Formats: sequence, structure tokens, C-alpha cells
Amino acid sequence: KAGVTQTPRYLIKTRGQQVTLSCSPISGHRSVSWYQQTPGQGLQFLFEYFSETQRNKGNFPGRFSGRQFSNSRSEMNVSTLELGDSALYLCASSLDGGRYPQHFGDGTRLSIL
Amino acid sequence: AQTVTQSQPEMSVQEAETVTLSCTYDTSENNYYLFWYKQPPSRQMILVIRQEAYKQQNATENRFSVNFQKAAKSFSLKISDSQLGDTAMYFCAFMKLENTGGFKTIFGAGTRLFVKA
Repeated sequence: KAGVTQTPRYLIKTRGQQVTLSCSPISGHRSVSWYQQTPGQGLQFLFEYFSETQRNKGNFPGRFSGRQFSNSRSEMNVSTLELGDSALYLCASSLDGGRYPQHFGDGTRLSIL
Repeated sequence: AQTVTQSQPEMSVQEAETVTLSCTYDTSENNYYLFWYKQPPSRQMILVIRQEAYKQQNATENRFSVNFQKAAKSFSLKISDSQLGDTAMYFCAFMKLENTGGFKTIFGAGTRLFVKA
């Protein structure tokens, strides 16, 4: 069974640009969560999607958005990039969270110049 | 708001010995889940062990076990017979179900563990 796939693995952007990251969950998993990992702030929850609906959102500005498609694949978008958005973005999928464990992808390393 | 505290930024242990990583959390919830995740230099987060708050019995997974003290809000991880491959960043995490039906996971700052040969 294939694991969680995140693309691209690395991305370099400049301030003011926008970026879209992709996450393909494990087959059969309907819940997808996104996290931002930085040395200063650690791992922070961005949002969680289930059956194309955002169920929960962390404390991030509106520049961070996401969506989930009918095949459970999810995308995360960051607009008007800032230097502080440089981070490792991790995606995790689960059958439905809670009592089911989350499986993480390898992440997308985003660098803002 | 829930918080998760890992008070040991870095630890080291000799191969084959036992090490305990500490984690405390703060919540007013009664039903929740606790996890330990491992993140090796390859950066993929791997679930080590999981505990449901309503279960009094401590979870174990081979060489990994937890000491869950619900009243004290403590959730430590014990690694027995440490192996070189256990070298990684370890994160303690708290998850609760939200009113929306979804869930939110709060992670601690992590403990970097070095296993020495």
C-alpha cells in the first residue's frame, strides 16, 4: 500500500508569490491534515479536511488555505508569501482521525527568498 | 487551550540501555488521545505509540512503552534496549475531537535523542 505522497519535495519561491502544495493520502483514508514545522515554532496544526470539507483550522492567517477533492487528495495554498513562511509542510492522512493513527508524508520544504 | 510540554530538548543514551522521555500536557478535556511520534533525519514522522485517555492500561509496542498518569497529566515514553536506529527527534502529541466532528493535534517542542554506540 502506497504511503502519503507530497509533492513537490522542495520548493523555492520569492516574497509576494503564491504556492500550491499537494498531498495524496493513503488509499481509503478520508481525513487529511496539514502542519507547518519550523525550528522556532515547532509543529503547528494548519487545517484538517474530511470528505471535501474543512473540519478544523489552526491559528494561521487567511493567506493559508486548502481544499480537498473527491478522491481525498488535498492541496494547500499560501498566497503573498512572506519570509516567515519558510518551513517544512507536512501532510498526514488517517481513516478518520481520533482513534485512527495519522500517517505522515515526507513533507515539502518551502524556502522563501 | 491545550498545551504540550517536553522539558528535555536533548538526551543521549548508550546503546542497549533504557531511556525515558518526559511529556506533560494541559487540558480540561476528559476524552482525548496521546501519541509519541519519531522523526528521524529523513524527516518522515512515524507513529511510535498511542494511548487513549479512557484506557487506564499503559500502551506498549515492543521496546516502547508509556507511563500514562491521567491525573498528573503526564505521558512519558520509555525506550528499552535502545538501538542506533532510535536516534531521532521525538514528539509528544495531544489530540482531541472538536465540536465540528474533526480533530486537532497539538505537538510538543520535541526531544532530540542520540543513541551512542
